[in-house]
Amino acid sequence: DGGITQSPKYLFRKEGQNVTLSCEQNLNHDAMYWYRQDPGQGLRLIYYSQIVNDFQKGDIAEGYSVSREKKESFPLTVTSAQKNPTAFYLCASRVTGTGAYEQYFGPGTRLTVT
Amino acid sequence: GENVEQHPSTLSVQEGDSAVIKCTYSDSASNYFPWYKQELGKRPQLIIDIRSNVGEKKDQRIAVTLNKTAKHFSLHITETQPEDSAVYFCAATSRGSTLGRLYFGRGTQLTVWP
Repeated sequence: DGGITQSPKYLFRKEGQNVTLSCEQNLNHDAMYWYRQDPGQGLRLIYYSQIVNDFQKGDIAEGYSVSREKKESFPLTVTSAQKNPTAFYLCASRVTGTGAYEQYFGPGTRLTVT
Repeated sequence: GENVEQHPSTLSVQEGDSAVIKCTYSDSASNYFPWYKQELGKRPQLIIDIRSNVGEKKDQRIAVTLNKTAKHFSLHITETQPEDSAVYFCAATSRGSTLGRLYFGRGTQLTVWP
């Protein structure tokens, strides 16, 4: 599971600032996902992408933006419009194809906004 | 979309006892049901999964059962050990879901007391 990385592990920002979280994978996976995790809330989907230059909003996309310029990379920007950005952010990837559903997670980035 | 409910939210057992976590889903087209284990501060990791053409699957001390008629599936851990302490998430996806997205339950905090 070392094939998907996120950086940094901890990130601190002042309120009103945009911040970009990195997600890179060398698994040759087509699909990539961003989740937000809060205590007692499970994993909530922010954005997902199946191919380069294409992505879809998940359940809680407001205040976030993404890009997919390369297959290996799927950065997430938390904008100042996100009202409560402090959370643990997880990136995941998956090979696409018949019957291939398993998602592999990165180590996560804990973002704290004060 | 799919809705996955998970119970209980917390579970405490004595070492050596069994633990059972239950999930229900709403979409009868769902056909893949993974279980993830997440230790504190770590990434979720797949521990077992089951597809809709199978009723039960075992892997050493863990097993998953699926009842398609009732639309519920359960994780069973036998002979629990302190290292089983973690948050466990169930999820579901279907052939028809966009980009193979997973719908997660809210998680169960399992604590195994020595």
